[in-house]
Amino acid sequence: IAGITQAPTSQILAAGRRMTLRCTQDMRHNAMYWYRQDLGLGLRLIHYSNTAGTTGKGEVPDGYSVSRANTDDFPLTLASAVPSQTSVYFCASSDGTSTEQFFGPGTRLTVL
Amino acid sequence: GQNIDQPTEMTATEGAIVQINCTYQTSGFNGLFWYQQHAGEAPTFLSYNVLDGLEEKGRFSSFLSRSKGYSYLLLKELQMKDSASYLCAVRDGDYKLSFGAGTTVTVRA
Repeated sequence: IAGITQAPTSQILAAGRRMTLRCTQDMRHNAMYWYRQDLGLGLRLIHYSNTAGTTGKGEVPDGYSVSRANTDDFPLTLASAVPSQTSVYFCASSDGTSTEQFFGPGTRLTVL
Repeated sequence: GQNIDQPTEMTATEGAIVQINCTYQTSGFNGLFWYQQHAGEAPTFLSYNVLDGLEEKGRFSSFLSRSKGYSYLLLKELQMKDSASYLCAVRDGDYKLSFGAGTTVTVRA
């Protein structure tokens, strides 16, 4: 693994189903983030974690949950998917004191 | 919260210069970032300004005026591969980024 990986690459999901998007980084970064990107709205922060064991809410947290059991992994769960959660989801990480966030390749999620 | 504005689209000719402006209103400021995002790909870091002034990195330069809540990204000697979206992002004191909606730059031959 080099950098940040996300899985799956894309997914079509029926409304009401539960879904977990996976994110793993091998850079030993303290901070990790989940964003959604929608046309015309840019990237919006869903949840973040400044260090393993802690999480926080971003701009659009409703309908999503996260956990940070260790440094490397930061899964995002949709407990009961709705069509408005159709989006491209990006995971990112930073070391907290560095000047940039590194982004994963993204997951394209369609909720029908 | 953050309010970040940038133009939606810009078009320029190969070899030319394009300036993408970004204005912001923030409740806290800890740096401004520019990212490049090609269609279907992840954003990649271009530049970072935390103090007023110009930061130059090859063909790309970024300027910041904190008192005016203003930044620009300058792309020189445009190439076809520069066709992409350019995202302005402001970092708050908790190291969280707020992004503008992005500016799509189209480079024409």
